[in-house]
Amino acid sequence: ELKVEQNPLFLSMQEGKNYTIYCNYSTTSDRLYWYRQDPGKSLESLFVLLSNGAVKQEGRLMASLDTKARLSTLHITAAVHDLSATYFCAVAISNQGGKLIFGQGTELSVKP
Amino acid sequence: ETGVTQTPRHLVMGMTNKKSLKCEQHLGHNAMYWYKQSAKKPLELMFVYSLEERVENNSVPSRFSPECPNSSHLFLHLHTLQPEDSALYLCASSQDSRSSYNEQFFGPGTRLTVL
Repeated sequence: ELKVEQNPLFLSMQEGKNYTIYCNYSTTSDRLYWYRQDPGKSLESLFVLLSNGAVKQEGRLMASLDTKARLSTLHITAAVHDLSATYFCAVAISNQGGKLIFGQGTELSVKP
Repeated sequence: ETGVTQTPRHLVMGMTNKKSLKCEQHLGHNAMYWYKQSAKKPLELMFVYSLEERVENNSVPSRFSPECPNSSHLFLHLHTLQPEDSALYLCASSQDSRSSYNEQFFGPGTRLTVL
């Protein structure tokens, strides 16, 4: 059974600090997604990572993928309050089309 | 309207009621999905439709009945639900359900409360 595990599940940060969210998965994947969800809102796509060594950056967020280690990271640089949200990684299973398996989510709170 | 829309946004129903959730996508996609998001749990895939044909049903109880009349509309019919069915129900669409190279776009969700 495919498992996708995020760490940590809860993260309280001060503004200006850096931190990393980890996403481990247990089987071969075609690609990995990172989503953001604000309270009561839907999921917003942040990054799509396609291959080993892929790195993408948008503003204060940077995502990377290591398919050999089955690990993706979402790094937050100099956090600001607007980044407070829940972040999900989702893994697309090889040979199973569009099926996504989601991690539990990391609830990020950035405090002044 | 753009993207993926869902109605209603909030729904409170009794265990004996029958109600329906509606999803509409304006992206020209061929695949649509229903997910359940319970508190403190990962999203759970419920149903997948590709070109109006159900291609996946993840052991969902029969009190949930999906309907996909065309590639732009998806319904989830609810009857005799249980309190543990209270959750956020999210609809998503993608160009093609057969390939993982197609990103899924999510609607705003319906917050369902079963009393």
